[in-house]
Amino acid sequence: ILNVEQSPQSLHVQEGDSTNFTCSFPSSNFYALHWYRWETAKSPEALFVMTLNGDEKKKGRISATLNTKEGYSYLYIKGSQPEDSATYLCAFLNAGNMLTFGGGTRLMVKP
Amino acid sequence: KAGVTQTPRYLIKTRGQQVTLSCSPISGHRSVSWYQQTPGQGLQFLFEYFSETQRNKGNFPGRFSGRQFSNSRSEMNVSTLELGDSALYLCASSSFSWNTEAFFGQGTRLTVV
Repeated sequence: ILNVEQSPQSLHVQEGDSTNFTCSFPSSNFYALHWYRWETAKSPEALFVMTLNGDEKKKGRISATLNTKEGYSYLYIKGSQPEDSATYLCAFLNAGNMLTFGGGTRLMVKP
Repeated sequence: KAGVTQTPRYLIKTRGQQVTLSCSPISGHRSVSWYQQTPGQGLQFLFEYFSETQRNKGNFPGRFSGRQFSNSRSEMNVSTLELGDSALYLCASSSFSWNTEAFFGQGTRLTVV
């Protein structure tokens, strides 16, 4: 059983605050790390797929970093907006092509 | 292009019955995975199919099974339903390997009464 853990489980921030979440995963047999955003009543949508140690990816106000040697990834949101409210999921892909999800971080941004 | 389509969207079944859920992946995608989400749990991996072969299997009892057809459409079947099988079942497809992003359907909400 692969352990992919995310923290915190939930987070309440004010509009305009910047925030970050953590995803920890096994440091062995690494192939890729995925981040998804899951809004209520919608399907999860991919944010980033990261494969290389030291990778940094950015999409608008959201960015992510990856450390495969120590087994963690950070997701950052700069200047949170109410529309950023969602559950953010990370998923670890091993060399066997099995994608294992963490429990998610539920973000609520208050106007 | 059309997204991942799951049918039905909602289903109510009685304990002991069986159910079949369907997933049509994005055209050209050959890999399809199934996940279960129950309240308070993350997405639990059920199985993954690639070119009609089950490539990976999660830690679920044998009552959960699946298959994939030559057009990449996939079905999952749950036999002898239990109350604890009530969940959202999500299907995801990918073009070749999971090194590229996965695309999810909207899910099938199964309620077992």
